[in-house]
Amino acid sequence: AQSVTQLDSHVSVSEGTPVLLRCNYSSSYSPSLFWYVQHPNKGLQLLLKYTSAATLVKGINGFEAEFKKSETSFHLTKPSAHMSDAAEYFCVVSDNTDKLIFGTGTRLQVFP
Amino acid sequence: DAGVTQSPTHLIKTRGQHVTLRCSPISGHKSVSWYQQVLGQGPQFIFQYYEKEERGRGNFPDRFSARQFPNYSSELNVNALLLGDSALYLCASSLYGGQSYEQYFGPGTRLTVT
Repeated sequence: AQSVTQLDSHVSVSEGTPVLLRCNYSSSYSPSLFWYVQHPNKGLQLLLKYTSAATLVKGINGFEAEFKKSETSFHLTKPSAHMSDAAEYFCVVSDNTDKLIFGTGTRLQVFP
Repeated sequence: DAGVTQSPTHLIKTRGQHVTLRCSPISGHKSVSWYQQVLGQGPQFIFQYYEKEERGRGNFPDRFSARQFPNYSSELNVNALLLGDSALYLCASSLYGGQSYEQYFGPGTRLTVT
């Protein structure tokens, strides 16, 4: 069975400092992995996706993630947090079916 | 171009009632998926439809059903509502079925069952 585990339910950072949101995955197949962001009262937005091409994936708004097969990890990073980054972030896995399997989410708070 | 639209935005129903939620995909998109997001949790997959055929079903009871129309819009129906059905219901559309195609999410319908 496929699953993702988001290791932190809440992460707090100061504006201008690095962001690290951690995600481990489990999949019997070569997975596709995604990060989605959900701002309050807004729909889910795709930040980036990994589909077995380059292991370092660059997304929108300065975010990137690295696929590490040996560690079964797909952590999301950003060098410098902005106030507008405050939101809920979901790590997502999809294998050979069409459905997306979401993690439980990480709430990112950014302090001035 | 309009994104994925869902109606209604909010809905309050009583236990035992039936509800119909509607979704219009992005123009040209042929695949629609439905997800349930309970407060404080990640979305859970309910159904996917592609070209009016059901392509996938999540672990939900038979009280949940859906269909896709010739114009690719979709309805999600839930019968005999339970308190636990209270959630944000999300619709996502993609150009085709398959994981290679990005799913675009609508703003959701907030269902409250009392």
